[in-house]
Amino acid sequence: NAGVTQTPKFRVLKTGQSMTLLCAQDMNHEYMYWYRQDPGMGLRLIHYSVGEGTTAKGEVPDGYNVSRLKKQNFLLGLESAAPSQTSVYFCASSRAARTFLSYNEQFFGPGTRLTVL
Amino acid sequence: AQSVTQPDIHITVSEGASLELRCNYSYGATPYLFWYVQSPGQGLQLLLKYFSGDTLVQGIKGFEAEFKRSQSSFNLRKPSVHWSDAAEYFCAVGANTDKLIFGTGTRLQVFP
Repeated sequence: NAGVTQTPKFRVLKTGQSMTLLCAQDMNHEYMYWYRQDPGMGLRLIHYSVGEGTTAKGEVPDGYNVSRLKKQNFLLGLESAAPSQTSVYFCASSRAARTFLSYNEQFFGPGTRLTVL
Repeated sequence: AQSVTQPDIHITVSEGASLELRCNYSYGATPYLFWYVQSPGQGLQLLLKYFSGDTLVQGIKGFEAEFKRSQSSFNLRKPSVHWSDAAEYFCAVGANTDKLIFGTGTRLQVFP
């Protein structure tokens, strides 16, 4: 199993350009998440999905859109990139987050380093 | 609202020394608690997790953590650090939502 994979690994954009980050998981997980990681700020949730065809906003959703057309894929889009979106982006997946007396761990991809000039 | 605090931004230890990384959480009920490790240029890997029961939990790579309700803490420990433990460590709490709340991380540096 490849686990969680992210494409691309690196990308440089100019302000105003658009791009899509792809996340794929082969663990048949229901839940998928997009985070951004910035120095001194830990991981902040951008958007997440609790199943195919569903999406929800996280802590920092502005400037991003997402789609979950297939259970195994979760796409993160930047319509008009800004320098403030320079960051490392992580995708994660899990089985349903909460079950009785339990909370399922999230599995992370290797990240995408995005620079917006 | 739940939150996680990791008060130490950067810790340096010598190889072979013991290690304790601090994590404090804010949540009214018993939380679900996690420690993740991020090696340079990598994604996050789960070290251990706590849901209920025994307050001392064992994880991978020789790490353990102790849940102390009275102190709202979930500190990570290792008796003898190896150079390969140099990484960034994140504490996270999952409460009554489908989202994990992460701390800001502690970067561990290990000197030979």
